[in-house]
Amino acid sequence: KAGVTQTPRYLIKTRGQQVTLSCSPISGHRSVSWYQQTPGQGLQFLFEYFSETQRNKGNFPGRFSGRQFSNSRSEMNVSTLELGDSALYLCASSRNRGSAQETQYFGPGTRLLVL
Amino acid sequence: ILNVEQSPQSLHVQEGDSTNFTCSFPSSNFYALHWYRWETAKSPEALFVMTLNGDEKKKGRISATLNTKEGYSYLYIKGSQPEDSATYLCAAPNTDKLIFGTGTRLQVFP
Repeated sequence: KAGVTQTPRYLIKTRGQQVTLSCSPISGHRSVSWYQQTPGQGLQFLFEYFSETQRNKGNFPGRFSGRQFSNSRSEMNVSTLELGDSALYLCASSRNRGSAQETQYFGPGTRLLVL
Repeated sequence: ILNVEQSPQSLHVQEGDSTNFTCSFPSSNFYALHWYRWETAKSPEALFVMTLNGDEKKKGRISATLNTKEGYSYLYIKGSQPEDSATYLCAAPNTDKLIFGTGTRLQVFP
């Protein structure tokens, strides 16, 4: 069974630009969560999508948004990029919604550098 | 706001040593505790999901215990090997969002 895939793996953007990251979950998984990791910080929850609806949102500004398609693939978008948005962005999928007792399967991440 | 803390921040051990580290979380409204291993340049890999007080789980040389009343979990690695070098993360849910600790970075020297 193929794992979680994320594209692109690396990205360089400049301040003010916008970026779209993509995540394809494991086949049969309907929940996709997004996380941000910056140096010295743990994984910070961004949002979770299930059945094409955002179910949970972390404490991030409105510049961070996402969506999920009918095939469970998800995209996240960051508009008006700031230097502080440079980070590793991970997505994780699980079979059902909610992260409480479901094992999350992570992708390899997209490393974003904002110059 | 749920706070998940891990200690120590980093650990260096010799091959063959056994080691353990701690994850602390609020004991009220406990629901589950996750452990992940994250090797450099790879994806975080799930180790355990623990839900019951007193639970003990084992996967090869790695085991974990859970105390929900006092709000901590221990991860043990018996006879550490260089391939155990990784960051070990724990996470607890808060209204269905997983809150991660900052991890314990383990380096095992041959």
